[in-house]
Amino acid sequence: QLQLQESGPGLVKPSETLSLTCIVSGGSISSKSYYWVWIRQPPGKGLEWIGTVHYSGITYYNPSLKSRITVSADTSKNQFSLKVSSVTAADTAVYYCARTELYCSGGSCYYYYGMDVWGQGTTVTVSS
Amino acid sequence: AIQMTQSPSSLSASLGDRVTITCRASQGIRNDLSWYQQKPGKAPKLLIYAASSLQSGVPSRFSGSGSGTDFTLTISSLQPEDFATYYCLQDYNYPWTFGQGTKVDIK
Repeated sequence: QLQLQESGPGLVKPSETLSLTCIVSGGSISSKSYYWVWIRQPPGKGLEWIGTVHYSGITYYNPSLKSRITVSADTSKNQFSLKVSSVTAADTAVYYCARTELYCSGGSCYYYYGMDVWGQGTTVTVSS
Repeated sequence: AIQMTQSPSSLSASLGDRVTITCRASQGIRNDLSWYQQKPGKAPKLLIYAASSLQSGVPSRFSGSGSGTDFTLTISSLQPEDFATYYCLQDYNYPWTFGQGTKVDIK
């Protein structure tokens, strides 16, 4: 059964770079149909999509964060990562990683199956 | 970016009630919408994808409908474990956007 586990520091200083890794176990990150997602949730607030990566290197970013984020996949380690640069207190949140699958047939892609597997989340606080 | 307007933001209901939550997209998104349930301190859980497809293992009292701009999540008979916050998500195009959430609590 596929499991995801976020790892990284719980405390980051303002202006520094937040780095998180999502370790994938029980399955391969290198599946053509799967996409790997980062989402965050500030304290007491709703969910925000951060970015999505495919093992091939295709990435999609939230434009509200685009200049500061990098999402990448490491097939040799079966994990994917998130970096957020120049963090401020507004980046304080629970960060989740998740998996989704894109349904494709006959050379065309139609829809995502939703984010069906999630990590437990990791709390990141930005503070000096 | 497509805006997702979810309503109501909160509701109080009793066990056995039928509950309806709506999500409206600022532009047409076909049926590229999913619904998630989140309990305090837990990761969200997928309930519905592609607007109306029930995720494996999710009780049949949950159902989704809609296409284009207007979508609905229905809980046919509210159970104790259904008290939670619910979110819609459009994955029609990037950037993906969530609704602001609907908190369902006990009347």
